[in-house]
Amino acid sequence: DQQVKQNSPSLSVQEGRISILNCDYTNSMFDYFLWYKKYPAEGPTFLISISSIKDKNEDGRFTVFLNKSAKHLSLHIVPSQPGDSAVYFCAATGGINAGNMLTFGGGTRLMVKP
Amino acid sequence: DTGVSQDPRHKITKRGQNVTFRCDPISEHNRLYWYRQTLGQGPEFLTYFQNEAQLEKSRLLSDRFSAERPKGSFSTLEIQRTEQGDSAMYLCASNRDYQPQHFGDGTRLSIL
Repeated sequence: DQQVKQNSPSLSVQEGRISILNCDYTNSMFDYFLWYKKYPAEGPTFLISISSIKDKNEDGRFTVFLNKSAKHLSLHIVPSQPGDSAVYFCAATGGINAGNMLTFGGGTRLMVKP
Repeated sequence: DTGVSQDPRHKITKRGQNVTFRCDPISEHNRLYWYRQTLGQGPEFLTYFQNEAQLEKSRLLSDRFSAERPKGSFSTLEIQRTEQGDSAMYLCASNRDYQPQHFGDGTRLSIL
């Protein structure tokens, strides 16, 4: 039973346009969500996070939106750059596991074309 | 700033052999985690230490797997009697309480 799902395995966008990556979760105990970026042969790198007390968090070109009623979050990258091409993982934690284990989605491969 | 360091980067072994991986966390981080990632999947939690205490273990961690974190510094993950299904990327992460986890580049295990 996948508690965190990223339904789009891949996404291709043009440089300068917006990239929108989506993530759905089922566990209502999750209260903290993170996005990680992963390049080949490297470990995941933390990108941005959001607590369930917020519905938006912004850091430069990256914005994460959280819709708790829909159990859905999204990562917006504006403008997209070729260096953003990577696999993006959504992760969640909370409840009795708060502060320890992360539950990851399967990832979305983003390709930004010059 | 020294990140999370894992050694070796790649391990090739025959089925049935024992392997051990090492993780050196970021020095001021009290929490350390092990995850496993297979092709096309996200990382899956294996186990977690707070200082030297192992506080959580996933059902994925069979009896053939053991992890230690002596003195609350580096950690080792040992797999005994390796099986084909153990082939994966083993990732280590560390953090301070309630901060985002920082990952190492992983150890890729290949079972022949």
